[in-house]
Amino acid sequence: TQLLEQSPQFLSIQEGENLTVYCNSSSVFSSLQWYRQEPGEGPVLLVTVVTGGEVKKLKRLTFQFGDARKDSSLHITAAQTGDTGLYLCAGEETSGSRLTFGEGTQLTVNP
Amino acid sequence: NAGVTQTPKFRVLKTGQSMTLLCAQDMNHEYMYWYRQDPGMGLRLIHYSVGEGTTAKGEVPDGYNVSRLKKQNFLLGLESAAPSQTSVYFCASSYGWGWSNQPQHFGDGTRLSIL
Repeated sequence: TQLLEQSPQFLSIQEGENLTVYCNSSSVFSSLQWYRQEPGEGPVLLVTVVTGGEVKKLKRLTFQFGDARKDSSLHITAAQTGDTGLYLCAGEETSGSRLTFGEGTQLTVNP
Repeated sequence: NAGVTQTPKFRVLKTGQSMTLLCAQDMNHEYMYWYRQDPGMGLRLIHYSVGEGTTAKGEVPDGYNVSRLKKQNFLLGLESAAPSQTSVYFCASSYGWGWSNQPQHFGDGTRLSIL
């Protein structure tokens, strides 16, 4: 099983600040997905990045896939209280039909 | 469109008891998955299925069994529950793995406590 490490594990910031979450591995993934999970609910897909070096933007969220397809980052600009949640990265393994999830980053945006 | 539905939502068991968690999806997805989520450990794959009548082991399969008798249903069984199986269990489904960009659709989870 390929491993994914996410950092930081916890992040507490004030509304309006910027932040970056990292997802790193020593293994290559076919694609990298980012999910967001709210309390009492299952994860919901935010974006999938497929090509090395790819950058995707979703309003104030910017996702990047590393050139070697081993790492990814999520940058949030001007965070809002509604961004609070657990952010999970998940890599599509090159050898099998499943995802490997990172440990998650619990983001709290304070008013 | 209900998506992925998990039952029950909550359950408390005593050590040694057995139970079955049910997952149903109405999206005609081929692939279905069972995960457990524990604090600080993300989602770990227990078992998965790539089609009706097929199952495969994931990362943490010990103590669990699964069945996929119908395409829309994926059952997770605990034969003899142990306190270490206290967790939140998530079911997910997806179209398949023949191409990239296939998201997994998750249910809202089953919160299971083993005393």
